[in-house]
Amino acid sequence: DAKTTQPTSMDCAEGRAANLPCNHSTISGNEYVYWYRQIHSQGPQYIIHGLKNNETNEMASLIITEDRKSSTLILPHATLRDTAVYYCIVRVAGRDDKIIFGKGTRLHILP
Amino acid sequence: EAGVTQFPSHSVIEKGQTVTLRCDPISGHDNLYWYRRVMGKEIKFLLHFVKESKQDESGMPNNRFLAERTGGTYSTLKVQPAELEDSGVYFCASSQVVNRGLTGELFFGEGSRLTVL
Repeated sequence: DAKTTQPTSMDCAEGRAANLPCNHSTISGNEYVYWYRQIHSQGPQYIIHGLKNNETNEMASLIITEDRKSSTLILPHATLRDTAVYYCIVRVAGRDDKIIFGKGTRLHILP
Repeated sequence: EAGVTQFPSHSVIEKGQTVTLRCDPISGHDNLYWYRRVMGKEIKFLLHFVKESKQDESGMPNNRFLAERTGGTYSTLKVQPAELEDSGVYFCASSQVVNRGLTGELFFGEGSRLTVL
């Protein structure tokens, strides 16, 4: 079972920052937070991951609270192409275990 | 560099027939995963190969599903005989083996859509 809780859906205006929250209150010390997304019927796409420090890459930023019980994925300038289902996943570090998808957040970018 | 490729992109078969889906992982990726998404449901894990060995097949729904990865390169997923409830999109993913405490992200293919009539 997924160990995260996300809102079912969110809207964001094009050009604005999209902030997607995730609760993972039972996360263990050796578990990373991963974010993936699925655009329409395409295959899931990796976005970013982190352990406890904030992370940034060319796609997004990941803000993890100090107690690591929640995080926020930030898409700084959302475009229509960012409309997708976003999945927050916790996964043990240092192992090749499967990732478990929950229901995710359906993000609608509005023109 | 080529990504994960899956074939066929779409297959339509009748109940009781056999279908074989193929996945070619990214070169050098020893981990290969199969997932399935049935319409309206979440993406579900099926199984995980490390090279040619089945590391975790806890998600395989029943013995009508057979996955192989001979030689540790490409993988096939055979459904025999297919049932209506097998319809969905089958995704394959691959990743590098983790070392030194680092985690590796999974790279997914575009999926094979299976329709059983």
